[in-house]
Amino acid sequence: GAGVSQSPSNKVTEKGKDVELRCDPISGHTALYWYRQSLGQGLEFLIYFQGNSAPDKSGLPSDRFSAERTGGSVSTLTIQRTQQEDSAVYLCASSLVSGTGYYGYTFGSGTRLTVV
Amino acid sequence: AQSVTQLGSHVSVSEGALVLLRCNYSSSVPPYLFWYVQYPNQGLQLLLKYTSAATLVKGINGFEAEFKKSETSFHLTKPSAHMSDAAEYFCAVSDGGSQGNLIFGKGTKLSVKP
Repeated sequence: GAGVSQSPSNKVTEKGKDVELRCDPISGHTALYWYRQSLGQGLEFLIYFQGNSAPDKSGLPSDRFSAERTGGSVSTLTIQRTQQEDSAVYLCASSLVSGTGYYGYTFGSGTRLTVV
Repeated sequence: AQSVTQLGSHVSVSEGALVLLRCNYSSSVPPYLFWYVQYPNQGLQLLLKYTSAATLVKGINGFEAEFKKSETSFHLTKPSAHMSDAAEYFCAVSDGGSQGNLIFGKGTKLSVKP
């Protein structure tokens, strides 16, 4: 598509429930990234996919967080047993070339997750 | 390891005044540096990037940034602020290595007073 699409744009869930956040990157972009943006905390790297390589999961904060990318395109970030501290905006980005970051990232508008 | 420090979480200027947003980085290798802007309820948009070419980089909307290796800085400037510049600005560094992920600063919120 023309841009990075994320859904839903807003999600309110009860503590303890599982949630799935979806990211549809720009067609042809080989790299896909998930970041978490908390108030006053900037952007926190979560996970990165590059082509068919094993993802870099070094930023995932706990084993309640997982992500997959099917067919090198759409990605789903899953948070199990949500906690209130998971409340944040989850941003997805894709890029044409990974490694050099030369092209920069194209970000989606994010999913605002609220855990009540 | 790479890191970014943005001085000032909130900067306020008058319309028409100079905008200066500060960014200092730490990198063990020649860095790639970026500035992104985020308008309310939107994702981040690339303003400009430094990738070891010219040290003075011009971006969109009249913004520019100068890479100063001796000061490990990459400050963002605009000669004359416009109301539409009110947003949050993020500085980021990439080591250009295979990991490929950007390390972001905590952001600076710019307010523009009429």
